Amino acid sequence: AQSVTQPDIHITVSEGASLELRCNYSYGATPYLFWYVQSPGQGLQLLLKYFSGDTLVQGIKGFEAEFKRSQSSFNLRKPSVHWSDAAEYFCAVGIFGNEKLTFGTGTRLTIIP
Amino acid sequence: DAGVIQSPRHEVTEMGQEVTLRCKPISGHNSLFWYRQTMMRGLELLIYFNNNVPIDDSGMPEDRFSAKMPNASFSTLKIQPSEPRDSAVYFCASSYTRLSGANVLTFGAGSRLTVL
Repeated sequence: AQSVTQPDIHITVSEGASLELRCNYSYGATPYLFWYVQSPGQGLQLLLKYFSGDTLVQGIKGFEAEFKRSQSSFNLRKPSVHWSDAAEYFCAVGIFGNEKLTFGTGTRLTIIP
Repeated sequence: DAGVIQSPRHEVTEMGQEVTLRCKPISGHNSLFWYRQTMMRGLELLIYFNNNVPIDDSGMPEDRFSAKMPNASFSTLKIQPSEPRDSAVYFCASSYTRLSGANVLTFGAGSRLTVL
């Protein structure tokens, strides 16, 4: 079965600084990978997804993520964070032929002025 | 497109009472998922349907939980009797499942349940 690990429970960055959130997956073949964001009191919103092709994918709100097969990783990045980026971020993995997504435990992002 | 609509947004009830959570998926979507979110366990998949048929209910914690999808535009998650440990945010999500199997879930805003 597939699994996903987000090693950082909580990250604090200064506004304007760069951001990288880590995500590692475990699956024998190439998975489908996603990043979702959850603002307080809200549902999860899709930031970006990787299905195949170019390993660097662009998402909404200026986020990007890079699929690295050799490292089983799909880290999320943003060059300059804004206070509105404060939220919880979830990495998720899906596999071909199965509708289910497996989510990581999430990383809470705090932005300081 | 109104998105995935869940009701109620908040529910406070007493232990032993029946709770029914409702979900209206996005029109045209053929898969529906119920997730539960808690601080301790994160996001857990409870059950999912494809074309209104339950496919995997292995995440349903116990017999007190049941879910139905009588038609393509409506699903319910019922807890009877409710217990304090059921307190959580329950999310419904829907997707259009393609033959490729690549599935993009759209989530509702959630139903926050508090059982006293």
